[in-house]
Amino acid sequence: AQRVTQPEKLLSVFKGAPVELKCNYSYSGSPELFWYVQYSRQRLQLLLRHISRESIKGFTADLNKGETSFHLKKPFAQEEDSAMYYCALRAPGGTSYGKLTFGQGTILTVHP
Amino acid sequence: KAGVTQTPRYLIKTRGQQVTLSCSPISGHRSVSWYQQTPGQGLQFLFEYFSETQRNKGNFPGRFSGRQFSNSRSEMNVSTLELGDSALYLCASSVTGGTEAFFGQGTRLTVV
Repeated sequence: AQRVTQPEKLLSVFKGAPVELKCNYSYSGSPELFWYVQYSRQRLQLLLRHISRESIKGFTADLNKGETSFHLKKPFAQEEDSAMYYCALRAPGGTSYGKLTFGQGTILTVHP
Repeated sequence: KAGVTQTPRYLIKTRGQQVTLSCSPISGHRSVSWYQQTPGQGLQFLFEYFSETQRNKGNFPGRFSGRQFSNSRSEMNVSTLELGDSALYLCASSVTGGTEAFFGQGTRLTVV
């Protein structure tokens, strides 16, 4: 079975502080990992995926297969980063077409 | 290009009734997935359709069903509504089901 755990439901930081949103996954294999973000009154949108290894809006995420983690990090948080963040997993292969397994989400609040 | 469109945005139904929700994917996207989002359970995968065929299904009772039309538009149906079916229902489209998923704004269903 596949599972995604985001241990923090709420995370508050001050503007300019570093932020790390934790994500741990359970899957016996090599899944695809994603971070999705939902800003207030907007739809859920992809922030980044592990295979692209890129930085989006200053955020990066490193897949650690040994610790089965995919934590999202940003060195200097901005107020506009305040949003709900979801970590998600997709298993490889045909049985997981179109299926994302989501964590419970972390609400990030960046204070001025 | 136009995003994923879900209609209606809000619905109020009575227990025991049935409901049909609609999702129009991004042009060129042939995969449509459906998710149920509740405060307690988070985002849970319902099913995925590709080229009018259901390829993947989550752990929901048979009261939840769906279909996809030749133009890739999809509908999901919930019969014999229960109070616990109150949720935000999201659909997501992607080119193949293995590529980036784009989400709609959701349909908020309230069962009274």
